[in-house]
Amino acid sequence: DAKTTQPTSMDCAEGRAANLPCNHSTISGNEYVYWYRQIHSQGPQYIIHGLKNNETNEMASLIITEDRKSSTLILPHATLRDTAVYYCIAHSNSGYALNFGKGTSLLVTP
Amino acid sequence: DSGVTQTPKHLITATGQRVTLRCSPRSGDLSVYWYQQSLDQGLQFLIQYYNGEERAKGNILERFSAQQFPDLHSELNLSSLELGDSALYFCASSPSLAGDTDTQYFGPGTRLTVL
Repeated sequence: DAKTTQPTSMDCAEGRAANLPCNHSTISGNEYVYWYRQIHSQGPQYIIHGLKNNETNEMASLIITEDRKSSTLILPHATLRDTAVYYCIAHSNSGYALNFGKGTSLLVTP
Repeated sequence: DSGVTQTPKHLITATGQRVTLRCSPRSGDLSVYWYQQSLDQGLQFLIQYYNGEERAKGNILERFSAQQFPDLHSELNLSSLELGDSALYFCASSPSLAGDTDTQYFGPGTRLTVL
């Protein structure tokens, strides 16, 4: 899997949009961009994934640049329960393990 | 609720002992993955089983072993436990169907404390 780079930590005010960036400049054509989050000591939770088109689901939106070298996860209206570590993972659909990095620790404040 | 279950939730044992962690995957998922998360190491992949067969190994110690049974549940066996084995152990499952996206879903984890 391609290496991803994320900021160590970010803050966001409750009710505002949280925009979490991820750099994956060496991503290959068959690798998807996956986002997971882990709320303190709970199991990682799948959020969203995409290949090259922007994606949206009930949890978040994923914006992938045209050259696929970076992406942004958007939580449109952050709540306190969104405080978590967010992991961006470049992963092919080969059915093998995920390579979690250090992720971004997002703190949502009142 | 991811649909993946793990038992027990907590386990406290002594050094040198052996324990077994159990995981039931989501209905229909063929792959089971085991990950370890300790304070200073982040989430580390240990081992993967696919439809009863070992498929991939990560940073798994020789003291650790796993298996996947015909009903697709999996067990992770940890033996000769050391203080450093204290960690959260997560199981994940995925469909692993050819030509389909293979999202992994994680269980709530087992917290192992070795005293």
